[in-house]
Amino acid sequence: AQSVTQLGSHVSVSEGALVLLRCNYSSSVPPYLFWYVQYPNQGLQLLLKYTSAATLVKGINGFEAEFKKSETSFHLTKPSAHMSDAAEYFCAVSDRTGGYNKLIFGAGTRLAVHP
Amino acid sequence: GAVVSQHPSWVICKSGTSVKIECRSLDFQATTMFWYRQFPKQSLMLMATSNEGSKATYEQGVEKDKFLINHASLTLSTLTVTSAHPEDSSFYICSAGTSGRSPYNEQFFGPGTRLTVL
Repeated sequence: AQSVTQLGSHVSVSEGALVLLRCNYSSSVPPYLFWYVQYPNQGLQLLLKYTSAATLVKGINGFEAEFKKSETSFHLTKPSAHMSDAAEYFCAVSDRTGGYNKLIFGAGTRLAVHP
Repeated sequence: GAVVSQHPSWVICKSGTSVKIECRSLDFQATTMFWYRQFPKQSLMLMATSNEGSKATYEQGVEKDKFLINHASLTLSTLTVTSAHPEDSSFYICSAGTSGRSPYNEQFFGPGTRLTVL
């Protein structure tokens, strides 16, 4: 069965600093991986997704993630944090058992950006 | 990108009453819709998967008689919380996909509905 582990429920960075949000996955089949962002009282917005093409995936708002099979990781990075990046971030893996593209979410990481 | 709406955005009801939440895909036909539940400061937990014109598939531990899901058209799915109790208070989020069987197809999420049961 697929699962996702996000290390660090809270991450705090200074504005302009590197953002690194960690995600490790477990999957019995080649995984499809996603990063979503959630702002307070809102739904989820897709940042980027890995679907077995390039291992370095670029997303919206300057975010990118690198798929590393040997480390079973899909960490999310952004070179320079902006105040507007403060939000909850979820890593997810696609569970294709049963024929449907269900998403299994990690516990989430709350990113705080301070001046 | 594809837009998914939910109505209402928030609802307060008395214990024992039923509440219906609508999920609509506004500019595409959603063959598959998913319903999630999110408790404060927690992740999303999938409740059920619904396909247009067929019965929903519920995740283990989700009471199908309590959480009634109807996917009557390619643009509308509804979740009805029957005989709601305070423990049902939560943030309910739907998502919609154009083809549930393809892993390349993205799920588009609605803005969520905050349910508070008094």
